[in-house]
Amino acid sequence: GQQLNQSPQSMFIQEGEDVSMNCTSSSIFNTWLWYKQDPGEGPVLLIALYKAGELTSNGRLTAQFGITRKDSFLNISASIPSDVGIYFCAGQPDNAGNMLTFGGGTRLMVKP
Amino acid sequence: DAGVIQSPRHEVTEMGQEVTLRCKPISGHNSLFWYRQTMMRGLELLIYFNNNVPIDDSGMPEDRFSAKMPNASFSTLKIQPSEPRDSAVYFCASSLVLRLGGSSYNEQFFGPGTRLTVL
Repeated sequence: GQQLNQSPQSMFIQEGEDVSMNCTSSSIFNTWLWYKQDPGEGPVLLIALYKAGELTSNGRLTAQFGITRKDSFLNISASIPSDVGIYFCAGQPDNAGNMLTFGGGTRLMVKP
Repeated sequence: DAGVIQSPRHEVTEMGQEVTLRCKPISGHNSLFWYRQTMMRGLELLIYFNNNVPIDDSGMPEDRFSAKMPNASFSTLKIQPSEPRDSAVYFCASSLVLRLGGSSYNEQFFGPGTRLTVL
């Protein structure tokens, strides 16, 4: 099946620092989505990307759809304590129907 | 607007018992997905429906698992009989899948999940 490699697996940073995480695939994806999951809750959609090279922002979050269509990154600027959580990338491969493949997640911890 | 609704939020049962998880998708969405999340395996897609029709159930672990979607506003995931290894958080997600100009738009919105513990 499809594989999504998400890195890093975890990050422990100081409040105010910028954060970067990424996902890579061996296959081409036509959609990239980034989610955040808080403890005890379901993943919440942060950003959706649909075109190679697309760069999209949502407040302090910025995500890009890699030009090769095999990768995506998510940046968080000036992190704050409420950014704590697990961030997941998800991609929809070509010819996969409506199925998404999820990365393993990046656990973000922010020290005030 | 109401998001995806799941019930129960928590379920504790004994091995061998039947478990039924329920989901109400976002009104107007045409696709519904059941996922299972564990520490070891992360998020796994179990089955998804398009316009109430099951499209891919290759992720369903075994015959003990079954899912139905009798109408556009309701779906169930049933485990019978349940086993301790079924303990996990089960999520339902829905999306309005659109295909425009060669692109596929599939933003999935998740419910809060059902935490299942099988003793």
